[in-house]
Amino acid sequence: EPEVTQTPSHQVTQMGQEVILRCVPISNHLYFYWYRQILGQKVEFLVSFYNNEISEKSEIFDDQFSVERPDGSNFTLKIRSTKLEDSAMYFCASGSGSLNEKLFFGSGTQLSVL
Amino acid sequence: AQKITQTQPGMFVQEKEAVTLDCTYDTSDQSYGLFWYKQPSSGEMIFLIYQGSYDEQNATEGRYSLNFQKARKSANLVISASQLGDSAMYFCAMREGFGAGGTSYGKLTFGQGTILTVHP
Repeated sequence: EPEVTQTPSHQVTQMGQEVILRCVPISNHLYFYWYRQILGQKVEFLVSFYNNEISEKSEIFDDQFSVERPDGSNFTLKIRSTKLEDSAMYFCASGSGSLNEKLFFGSGTQLSVL
Repeated sequence: AQKITQTQPGMFVQEKEAVTLDCTYDTSDQSYGLFWYKQPSSGEMIFLIYQGSYDEQNATEGRYSLNFQKARKSANLVISASQLGDSAMYFCAMREGFGAGGTSYGKLTFGQGTILTVHP
C-alpha cells in the first residue's frame, strides 16, 4: 500500500526556534493536511492544502504556522518561534478527494520544545 | 458543539470477547462519511473501517463492524473476538460537506478517543 512519509520522526528544539516538519504525500493525491496530537489527547486538524494554497485552517493555525509545497513531492509545516505548548505529535495526511476514501496518515513527527 | 463524541475514555475487554466502542456525531450535512482509526502505542494512525451516510448496510471489515444508526447519529465500532494486539487508542472521525458543494476540503474531524485494553 502507498505510504505518506514524514521526517524527522523526532525533533527536539529550544523554545523560540523555528522548525520545519517534512512530509512526502502519496504521489497522485491532491489534498494534503497537517494534524496535531498533544500527548494523550485527540487528533486536531491544523490545515488543509489544495491546488498550491491553503483551503482551510483551524484556529490553532495562526501566524506562527505556515505550509508550503516547495516542489512536486514535499509538503512542509513550518513553526516559527516555537513555544512549549507546541510540543506534540504532528501528522501529515493526504487524500484523493473522495468522500468515501480514508486519509493516509504518515507515522508522525514527535516535536519536543524545551 | 462537539462534532464527534466518544464518551468512553477507557474500555476493558477479555480476550476473545466482543467489545463496542461508542461514537456519536453531529452534522447537518446529508452527505458525510464516518471512519474509525486505531492508534497503537507506537503512534501511527491505522484505518479500520468506513461508513457512508447513504450506505444502507453496516460496514464490515474482518473482525470490525460498524453499527450505524443514522437517526440516532451514532456509529459504534464493534470488535469481535478481541485479541491482545487490539489494545490501543481508537478514534472515530467524520468527513462532511465534501464533494457536494461543501467546504470541508476532505478533512477529518476526530473524537477524543477511547483507550481499549484487552486482558488475557
